[in-house]
Amino acid sequence: SQQGEEDPQALSIQEGENATMNCSYKTSINNLQWYRQNSGRGLVHLILIRSNEREKHSGRLRVTLDTSKKSSSLLITASRAADTASYFCAPISSGSARQLTFGSGTQLTVLP
Amino acid sequence: DAGVIQSPRHEVTEMGQEVTLRCKPISGHNSLFWYRQTMMRGLELLIYFNNNVPIDDSGMPEDRFSAKMPNASFSTLKIQPSEPRDSAVYFCASSLDPRRDEQYFGPGTRLTVT
Repeated sequence: SQQGEEDPQALSIQEGENATMNCSYKTSINNLQWYRQNSGRGLVHLILIRSNEREKHSGRLRVTLDTSKKSSSLLITASRAADTASYFCAPISSGSARQLTFGSGTQLTVLP
Repeated sequence: DAGVIQSPRHEVTEMGQEVTLRCKPISGHNSLFWYRQTMMRGLELLIYFNNNVPIDDSGMPEDRFSAKMPNASFSTLKIQPSEPRDSAVYFCASSLDPRRDEQYFGPGTRLTVT
């Protein structure tokens, strides 16, 4: 398994603004997943993008994947105070080890 | 479906005592994962099972930790004897196929060892 590295570590924006978080990884992947964790709760799956996809949308979420740069980004448009949470990426390797390994995440704070 | 169920939600125990955490995965999911989360170390994978068989337990910190999955609908994580440094939130997650599908996390068990 491999760990994704999220950037920035912390992000603070005003409600209504867009939030962009980035993820880098090291080896080839089968897919990459983004998760959200609200304080004191378990992780919630947001979106999965496969290695042969470049962009994927889900509601206010937009994920891009650049396999040549081994990076992904998560864009949250028109942010809301309820989007305040930690966001984690999880690259799933193409090899035999398929379990998720999480980095330290991006702590997003959306100010009302 | 009720999602992944964990019990207890909170556990406070004294150093040296045995602690057992329980997890019921989502019906039909054949992979189960135990994670530990602390401020210092973040979210760590402890062990995962596929079809009730432990596949990778390299994340289990030491022999004091053990995990079992006697059937497809139940798993336990046991710490014996517990130590203050084991204080953390322990999450269980399940997945239909971790190679392609997302994992569904339980609400976690907050363990405090005094």
